[in-house]
Amino acid sequence: DGGITQSPKYLFRKEGQNVTLSCEQNLNHDAMYWYRQDPGQGLRLIYYSQIVNDFQKGDIAEGYSVSREKKESFPLTVTSAQKNPTAFYLCASSVSGQVNYGYTFGSGTRLTVV
Amino acid sequence: RKEVEQDPGPFNVPEGATVAFNCTYSNSASQSFFWYRQDCRKEPKLLMSVYSSGNEDGRFTAQLNRASQYISLLIRDSKLSDSATYLCVVIAMDMGRRALTFGSGTRLQVQP
Repeated sequence: DGGITQSPKYLFRKEGQNVTLSCEQNLNHDAMYWYRQDPGQGLRLIYYSQIVNDFQKGDIAEGYSVSREKKESFPLTVTSAQKNPTAFYLCASSVSGQVNYGYTFGSGTRLTVV
Repeated sequence: RKEVEQDPGPFNVPEGATVAFNCTYSNSASQSFFWYRQDCRKEPKLLMSVYSSGNEDGRFTAQLNRASQYISLLIRDSKLSDSATYLCVVIAMDMGRRALTFGSGTRLQVQP
């Protein structure tokens, strides 16, 4: 079955440490996205990619980095520059450039700073 | 003013009740609209698209009012399993890029 897989489900980061969140999809979607959700709040866009080897900053890109070397994969690195990284991170994908399609989300990674 | 606004709730309703949520948006160029459902500590899942003519899926009805720039979701005969947070999503095309904006969600608690 097609879908998006995020791993790990839970991640603990020490202060000053970089961590990478994995996102893989087999839906043949061109576009992939990373969102952050804080308790009681909506989703905020971190980075997005509409095509392999290209990505753009979203609304809250500072302290994060991404790569898109393969169509299926869009990993997110939370760097030590991100001062408040504890949040629920959601990866999504969609058909690129099609306004009438919604997103498919992965099951999320819950990141906690210890 | 937020681009997409929702009443955060919670809406506490008894089983069998009818409940409606509204979502207002500020970008008049918005083209597509969706309702997502998010269970506690889970990812959002697409509930239904919202069309200008209105659309129904079982107990759920979605409406779009472009003139007043809001969408609505009506749930009839509420079930305990409907308890969740409902997110509205508004999409506009911005220089070839899909720009999705999520509302903060409305929490529904259906009580026995």
